[in-house]
Amino acid sequence: AQSVTQPDIHITVSEGASLELRCNYSYGATPYLFWYVQSPGQGLQLLLKYFSGDTLVQGIKGFEAEFKRSQSSFNLRKPSVHWSDAAEYFCAVGAGGTSYGKLTFGQGTILTVHP
Amino acid sequence: NAGVMQNPRHLVRRRGQEARLRCSPMKGHSHVYWYRQLPEEGLKFMVYLQKENIIDESGMPKERFSAEFPKEGPSILRIQQVVRGDSAAYFCASSPSKQGGETQYFGPGTRLLVL
Repeated sequence: AQSVTQPDIHITVSEGASLELRCNYSYGATPYLFWYVQSPGQGLQLLLKYFSGDTLVQGIKGFEAEFKRSQSSFNLRKPSVHWSDAAEYFCAVGAGGTSYGKLTFGQGTILTVHP
Repeated sequence: NAGVMQNPRHLVRRRGQEARLRCSPMKGHSHVYWYRQLPEEGLKFMVYLQKENIIDESGMPKERFSAEFPKEGPSILRIQQVVRGDSAAYFCASSPSKQGGETQYFGPGTRLLVL
C-alpha cells in the first residue's frame, strides 16, 4: 500500500525567502505524485503533478517540484515566497492498477509567511 | 466551465440524525471521489464512483456510510445515525477519465458538525 510522509507540520518563512517543503512517499512502482494547496475553509487546488518524463516539474504560482526516485522524495520549492502563499500544502501519491483512483495524502504542512 | 460543486457548504446535525452531502462533478467528468478530512489531519480516501457504479469503497466505514452516483443528478454521500466522530470536512473530487495520473479536481467541501 502506498503512503506519504510530510515531515514538517509547520514551517515559517519570511516574505521573499526561499521555500522547500518535504515529501517522502512509499510505493512499489512508479508513482503519480501531486502537490495541492488548501487555504483556510477552502477546497484543494492543484499546484503541480508528476507521472512521467522530466523529473523537475513546473507548476502554478511559481512553484516547482523535483522527483527523486533514489530518495523516494518529491519536494516542493519556491525561490521567493509571497505573503499570499500562506496556506496548508499537501503531497499526495496516486496508484495505478486496481488501486487507481485513490489518492493517498500526507498530513500536510502549514506554511506561515512573516512580512 | 463551473468547478466541482458541493452542497451544503456547512451542515449541522444532532447525534442520530442523517446527513446527506451532494457533489456535482465538473462538466464532462464521470469519475467522482469522496475524501474525509478530520481536524488536524490530511485527507483520507473514502470511495470512488463512476456513473451507477461503485469502483472502490475500501475507505468507507463498514456501517452507516453509503455513496451513490446515479445516472442523472449529483453524487450523494449519506451518513446515517451520525455520531460526534463524524464531524469533519468532506471533499468531493472529479476527473474526466481513469487514465493513470489523471488530475482530480476538488470541490470546496462540506463541513459537517455533529452536536
